[in-house]
Amino acid sequence: KAGVTQTPRYLIKTRGQQVTLSCSPISGHRSVSWYQQTPGQGLQFLFEYFSETQRNKGNFPGRFSGRQFSNSRSEMNVSTLELGDSALYLCASSLLRLAGAPGTDTQYFGPGTRLTVL
Amino acid sequence: DQQVKQNSPSLSVQEGRISILNCDYTNSMFDYFLWYKKYPAEGPTFLISISSIKDKNEDGRFTVFLNKSAKHLSLHIVPSQPGDSAVYFCAALFGNEKLTFGTGTRLTIIP
Repeated sequence: KAGVTQTPRYLIKTRGQQVTLSCSPISGHRSVSWYQQTPGQGLQFLFEYFSETQRNKGNFPGRFSGRQFSNSRSEMNVSTLELGDSALYLCASSLLRLAGAPGTDTQYFGPGTRLTVL
Repeated sequence: DQQVKQNSPSLSVQEGRISILNCDYTNSMFDYFLWYKKYPAEGPTFLISISSIKDKNEDGRFTVFLNKSAKHLSLHIVPSQPGDSAVYFCAALFGNEKLTFGTGTRLTIIP
């Protein structure tokens, strides 16, 4: 079974631009979550989508948005990029809602998209 | 407000010895805790978890201990192996809410 895939793997943008990242979950998985990883802050939750609806949202400004399609693929968009947006963006998929049941080892991460903002 | 904290950004351990990674949390409502391991250029992979109703969970070389009164959990790896060198994240969960991660600890196993 193919794992979670993210495209592109690397991206370089300049301040003020916007960017769209893509995540394809494991086949059959309906929940996709996005995380931002930076050296100082670790992994921070951005949002979760389940059945095309945003179910949970972290503490990020409105410049960060996302959506999920009927095939469970998800995209994340960041508008008006800032230098501080440089990070590794990870998406994770799970069969059900985000890790809510005992034995919550059901969240599988993709390799991430490394975004550099110049 | 960092609800899950890993105060040691790095740790070096001799091969064959015990590695102990620590994690503290502030939200007493967390009811499930997980450890993830991350290699460079890869996403985190799940390692082991523990429910708040338990104080210990063991899986092979990995054992997680939970001290609810101290709001502290630790991951023990014994014996440590070179392939254990990675960044380890602890994460906490409340009900069906989002996973809250710590900042990670880079573990280096010295041959």
